[in-house]
Amino acid sequence: GIQVEQSPPDLILQEGANSTLRCNFSDSVNNLQWFHQNPWGQLINLFYIPSGTKQNGRLSATTVATERYSLLYISSSQTTDSGVYFCAVETSETSGSRLTFGEGTQLTVNP
Amino acid sequence: SQTIHQWPATLVQPVGSPLSLECTVEGTSNPNLYWYRQAAGRGLQLLFYSVGIGQISSEVPQNLSASRPQDRQFILSSKKLLLSDSGFYLCAWSPFAEAFFGQGTRLTVV
Repeated sequence: GIQVEQSPPDLILQEGANSTLRCNFSDSVNNLQWFHQNPWGQLINLFYIPSGTKQNGRLSATTVATERYSLLYISSSQTTDSGVYFCAVETSETSGSRLTFGEGTQLTVNP
Repeated sequence: SQTIHQWPATLVQPVGSPLSLECTVEGTSNPNLYWYRQAAGRGLQLLFYSVGIGQISSEVPQNLSASRPQDRQFILSSKKLLLSDSGFYLCAWSPFAEAFFGQGTRLTVV
């Protein structure tokens, strides 16, 4: 099956700093999503970005499908940005669509 | 509007007891449905996915099973829970292409 690798696994920042999270995938994908898992476990949709660049406030994402990677940018980080960030890719199987997650990046933003 | 409901939020069950977790969605027809488990640590492991009523694909052979008796209902079951079944269970749906997750059920098997 497809492999999804996220880096770095852990990231510690001071409030106000910028960061880049990376997601590499081993095969062609139909779609790619970024999620933020908050301290209560809820997965929050950040971006649905099979290709190109999107921005939402302090967050932006870029997917280069031909080179099989995606980047999530967080600018002017805040303590509320802490949590785990996941990328997930969708692939087509004979039995339907499958969503595969990376292992996540644990982000800690200190005041 | 499109929403997903998952319950209960937390559950403590003794070893050997049965399990039934339910997930229902509203607002669309024939969505793709998924069950994931997140054990201690970070990774989300895909357990089952379904593209339609009665169509279940299993990713990992284990002590769990899934059923989709109705278009918008996805059930995760076990006949006898093991300690290793403890974890955070998440239901997800994909009405078109983007996937959305429920609140999750934190299961502790004691």
